[in-house]
Amino acid sequence: SQQGEEDPQALSIQEGENATMNCSYKTSINNLQWYRQNSGRGLVHLILIRSNEREKHSGRLRVTLDTSKKSSSLLITASRAADTASYFCARGGSGGSYIPTFGRGTSLIVHP
Amino acid sequence: NAGVMQNPRHLVRRRGQEARLRCSPMKGHSHVYWYRQLPEEGLKFMVYLQKENIIDESGMPKERFSAEFPKEGPSILRIQQVVRGDSAAYFCASSPVADNRGPYEQYFGPGTRLTVT
Repeated sequence: SQQGEEDPQALSIQEGENATMNCSYKTSINNLQWYRQNSGRGLVHLILIRSNEREKHSGRLRVTLDTSKKSSSLLITASRAADTASYFCARGGSGGSYIPTFGRGTSLIVHP
Repeated sequence: NAGVMQNPRHLVRRRGQEARLRCSPMKGHSHVYWYRQLPEEGLKFMVYLQKENIIDESGMPKERFSAEFPKEGPSILRIQQVVRGDSAAYFCASSPVADNRGPYEQYFGPGTRLTVT
């Protein structure tokens, strides 16, 4: 399996600050995805980064991937109260698996 | 284009009853995935289906759980003789494609929250 960890488990910041979340994994991957989940809702896809990419941006989101360290980070710049949610990384593709493996997530609280 | 739909949103069952959870994927998507989420935890993969085929059920308990995705109609996750430990949120996701270059972006439904009393 491709067990990994996200850290921190919880993050509490003030509006306007940046939030950084990390994700590690143990086996090779085709890609890594980040999702957001608001309380009581389904997951929403944020960004997919392929194993041959090192960085991707989408609005205030920046994702990096370091395959040598088997880790990825999600940076949210200038955070807003509406960014309060849980953030999950999903990695997969090793051995031809179609199924992403989700971590336990980072719970982000942005105080207004 | 409607998103992934799941119903019911909330389901209460007594121990020993059956639970049926339904999922309609996004239009044009033929790949459906079911996940279970316990409070404060991530998603645990249960089963991956294509139309009329179960492709991967490695995450689904062998007993009491079954899933189908018929040619017509929604995908169904069926839990027989529910126990309190089955209480969880069950999410369905769909994708338009799946191959060994994946996994690809998945589109999630709002989930069904099952409570077993």
